[in-house]
Amino acid sequence: EAGVAQSPRYKIIEKRQSVAFWCNPISGHATLYWYQQILGQGPKLLIQFQNNGVVDDSQLPKDRFSAERLKGVDSTLKIQPAKLEDSAVYLCASSLDGGLTTDTQYFGPGTRLTVL
Amino acid sequence: AQSVTQLDSHVSVSEGTPVLLRCNYSSSYSPSLFWYVQHPNKGLQLLLKYTSAATLVKGINGFEAEFKKSETSFHLTKPSAHMSDAAEYFCVVRERRVTGGFKTIFGAGTRLFVKA
Repeated sequence: EAGVAQSPRYKIIEKRQSVAFWCNPISGHATLYWYQQILGQGPKLLIQFQNNGVVDDSQLPKDRFSAERLKGVDSTLKIQPAKLEDSAVYLCASSLDGGLTTDTQYFGPGTRLTVL
Repeated sequence: AQSVTQLDSHVSVSEGTPVLLRCNYSSSYSPSLFWYVQHPNKGLQLLLKYTSAATLVKGINGFEAEFKKSETSFHLTKPSAHMSDAAEYFCVVRERRVTGGFKTIFGAGTRLFVKA
C-alpha cells in the first residue's frame, strides 16, 4: 500500500515570498491533516479536512495560510506571504475515518521549509 | 483542558539496556493514546496505540506501553535497546471535543540516544 506522498521535500524561500506544498493521501482515506512542526517541538495541527470539507482550522493563521482539498483527494497548503517564523517542517497525514477517537493517522515524509 | 507532557526531552541508554520514555496526559474524556517514532528526515511512524481495550499495549519493534488511568500516564518501554531505536518519540492524545469532532495533541517529543 502506497503511503502519504508530499512534495517538495525541501524548499528555501525569502520572506514575503509565497510557497505551496502538495499532499496525496493514502487511497480511500477520507480525512486529511496538515501539521506544522517547528524544530524541537511536536507537530501542531493547522487544518483538518473530512473529504473536501474543513473540519478544524482553528490554528491556521488565515491571514497568510490557506489550504484546499479539491475533489476530496489531493490537498495543497499555501503560505503567502511567508515570514521567518514559518520555517518548519510541514507534515501531511491521512486517516481512514476522522470520526473515531481511535482513528490512526499516517504521515508523509514532510516538507522542510526554510524562510530567509 | 487536554495536554500531553513528555517528561524527558532527551534519554540516553546503552545498547542492550532497557528503554523508558515517560508520558503524562490530561484529558476530560476517555482518550485514545498513541506513540509515534520519527527517524531523521523520515515521516512519523505509529508504534502503538491504546484504545480502551487492554491497558498493556504491544507495538512494533518490541515496544510496549501501559495505560495507567490513576497516574494519567502512558509510558513507553522496550526491554533491550537497539542502535536503530535512536530517534525522536512522540506521545499523542486524541479525544472527543465538547463542541464536536476530535482534537489531537502531540507532546514535545523525547529524543532517544543509543550508545554502542
